[in-house]
Amino acid sequence: AQSVTQLDSQVPVFEEAPVELRCNYSSSVSVYLFWYVQYPNQGLQLLLKYLSGSTLVKGINGFEAEFNKSQTSFHLRKPSVHISDTAEYFCAVRDSSYKLIFGSGTRLLVRP
Amino acid sequence: DVKVTQSSRYLVKRTGEKVFLECVQDMDHENMFWYRQDPGLGLRLIYFSYDVKMKEKGDIPEGYSVSREKKERFSLILESASTNQTSMYLCASSSLLGGAGSGANVLTFGAGSRLTVL
Repeated sequence: AQSVTQLDSQVPVFEEAPVELRCNYSSSVSVYLFWYVQYPNQGLQLLLKYLSGSTLVKGINGFEAEFNKSQTSFHLRKPSVHISDTAEYFCAVRDSSYKLIFGSGTRLLVRP
Repeated sequence: DVKVTQSSRYLVKRTGEKVFLECVQDMDHENMFWYRQDPGLGLRLIYFSYDVKMKEKGDIPEGYSVSREKKERFSLILESASTNQTSMYLCASSSLLGGAGSGANVLTFGAGSRLTVL
């Protein structure tokens, strides 16, 4: 069975600083990976996804992630964060069926 | 522009009550899901359905049941609510199973239903 690990439960960062949110997954033959974002009092929305092709994936709001098969990682990055990026971020991997397995989430706290 | 609608944003129920959480999607998706979200645990799958009247257990089905009588509607039922079912419940939908690039890989979520059981 697939699994996802987000080691950082909370990441505080100052506005305009770069940020990296870490995600590691258990290996599998084919891997579909996702990052979702949840703003306060809202549901989850898709930030970006890796299904195949280029290992560098660009998403909404200036975020990007890199699929690294040898390290089984899919870290999320943004070169300069804004206050409005404060949210919880979830990494997910698709299971052998069509279910998504989610990590425990990382709360990004952007300070002025 | 709302695509997945959960009928109640906040509910407060008493122990032993029967609770219905309703979810409706307007995207003609085949797959629908109920997740539970708890701090530090992320999202855990309770049940999912890949067709009308079809359902499969997820990772934590105990204490829950579901109903899918129509394609657009997926209901989560707590037969006898308990305090450990206090949580945020998220409904999601996706299109039919497929390979890379297919819509099956993208879940659309509702805004969530926060249930408190006293």
